[in-house]
This record gives sequence, structure tokens and C-alpha cells, in this order.
Amino acid sequence: DTGVSQNPRHKITKRGQNVTFRCDPISEHNRLYWYRQTLGQGPEFLTYFQNEAQLEKSRLLSDRFSAERPKGSFSTLEIQRTEQGDSAMYLCASSFGQGGATNEKLFFGSGTQLSVL
Amino acid sequence: AQSVAQPEDQVNVAEGNPLTVKCTYSVSGNPYLFWYVQYPNRGLQFLLKYITGDNLVKGSYGFEAEFNKSQTSFHLKKPSALVSDSALYFCAVRDLGGYNKLIFGAGTRLAVHP
Repeated sequence: DTGVSQNPRHKITKRGQNVTFRCDPISEHNRLYWYRQTLGQGPEFLTYFQNEAQLEKSRLLSDRFSAERPKGSFSTLEIQRTEQGDSAMYLCASSFGQGGATNEKLFFGSGTQLSVL
Repeated sequence: AQSVAQPEDQVNVAEGNPLTVKCTYSVSGNPYLFWYVQYPNRGLQFLLKYITGDNLVKGSYGFEAEFNKSQTSFHLKKPSALVSDSALYFCAVRDLGGYNKLIFGAGTRLAVHP
């Protein structure tokens, strides 16, 4: 179990630039989640994939955000035209959920810390 | 809407003393409740969950949590705190839907002093 890997660990960008983050989940995990965490707050759900299908996207996620999970393996989260309010820790989590299971534990990566100047 | 509240930003406890980190929840239907811990520069780690059954749930690293339906609480406990338990603790509830989407509390920082 190599764990959930996220790259880069830190990203500093200027307002208006595009950024892309990558998440490599645990290999046998079929479910993948993106969360966002700001200082003093708990993680907030952004989006969910079951295999390659993106099944839910939070209303928090503006049109500037897009996520993909091609072939049901790694996932990318892209933010276009970044704003200072996008500064946060972006967390990826994965899990193996069978059928209608809804209580399996999530495995989180260490996150990508985004700073928008 | 499902939600959890962690009323304490920080809990301080002396090593060897019992610790409690509080969590209350608001859900429609039966709650699925979780505790996760976040150490510096590391991802959140699962500690324990309550789905159904015994109100006292045992988890990793000697932690346990007590589900109390009448008080809508799910407090995290440990009989004897260690300095290494110092971390950020998050309570979470599963949101409605067909997968394990979690709604997290704001977190409680636990500081265990030697």
C-alpha cells in the first residue's frame, strides 16, 4: 500500500494563471474524491469519481474548476484563471466501495497547497 | 442538511490523563459518523466509524467514541493521552447519496502536554 500520492506538494501562482494538480490513488480503489481545506476549517467536498465517471460536483465548484479521471486511475484537478480566493489545500482521497457501500474508510493524500498571489 | 459541529477549537490535556474531543451532529435519518486525525504535513487518517450497533466504538491508536442518539453526540475519547496524540481531529458525517461523501466539522486541535 503506497498510499495516495498528490503532486505537487506546493504551488505558488499569480492571479489569472491556470494550475493543474494530480492525484494518484491507491491502485485498487474505484472511488476518488477531491476536497478543499482552508485554514481553520474542515475539508469541503468538491467532486467524486466512481472509476472514470464523475458522478457529483459540488456547487462550490465554479466553472473555472474541472476534474478528470481518465481510465479510472489517476485524477487531475485544473483551476483556470485562478483567483486569490482559490488559495487552499486541495486534498484527494480514494476508497474501495462495493455495490451500494457508503461507509468505507477514505485514504487521503497529503494535499497540494495552492497560494495565489 | 447533514452537519457536524465541533464546539472546541482546542483541547489541552496532560499526558496520562483521559481526553475527550466533542462532536455533535444533525442528520435526517440514521447517521454514519466518522473521526479522522490529521498530523502535520500528512493526510487525514481514519480513526473509527459508527454505523450501527454498539454505542461505544473502538478504533485505532487506543481511541474510542461514544454514540449518543438522545444528545446527538459522537465524542472521541481516550483513557490515557500521549504526547504523540497531539494533532488536528475532525468529526464527519456521511452525506445523503449513494457513496461515502463526508461532511466534516471545523476540527479540534488536541495538545497533549508532558
